Amino acid sequence: DAGVIQSPRHEVTEMGQEVTLRCKPISGHNSLFWYRQTMMRGLELLIYFNNNVPIDDSGMPEDRFSAKMPNASFSTLKIQPSEPRDSAVYFCASSQKADNTGELFFGEGSRLTVL
Amino acid sequence: QKEVEQDPGPLSVPEGAIVSLNCTYSNSAFQYFMWYRQYSRKGPELLMYTYSSGNKEDGRFTAQVDKSSKYISLFIRDSQPIDTATYLCTFGAIYTQGGKLIFGQGTELSVKP
Repeated sequence: DAGVIQSPRHEVTEMGQEVTLRCKPISGHNSLFWYRQTMMRGLELLIYFNNNVPIDDSGMPEDRFSAKMPNASFSTLKIQPSEPRDSAVYFCASSQKADNTGELFFGEGSRLTVL
Repeated sequence: QKEVEQDPGPLSVPEGAIVSLNCTYSNSAFQYFMWYRQYSRKGPELLMYTYSSGNKEDGRFTAQVDKSSKYISLFIRDSQPIDTATYLCTFGAIYTQGGKLIFGQGTELSVKP
């Protein structure tokens, strides 16, 4: 298996622009997670899905952030409009377990810079 | 008090040294104790996973959990340059509304040849 695949690996954009990050989880995994990692705050859970249904989105910072999982093999995280404080590495992870306590398999991350 | 405390380092050791990485936590509901390793510009990967107090060994790595003191450690024996990475202690709990994973801030380790 190729593992969790994220795109783009790097994104540089200007404040106010829309950003869309994409993720393909490992086939057969029922849960998908979006995390954000910064030096100041470490790794933070933004949202997670179980069987394509959002279970916990309490970590989504504000209405500018939205996430979708239209099918078992694809998810997007959208930021509109983007702001410089959104600059971070965004990780997608998937897991076989539904309760967010199993082994997470992370992608390589999307490094976002908002100027 | 923070839910999880982890010394951020950085920690630099010579090859062959024994490394001790430590975390404390305050939430008694944590039932799962993990260590993730993150190489530079990569995603974290699971290194060790345990449910109970005591020691768990896997090759050069030993995970230790002391629930009474709310303290977990990762020991690396005969450290190698390939161990250069950031190590994240990770805690899991299950609540009625689902599970929760909390990551420490990470300790940056450098093993010099």
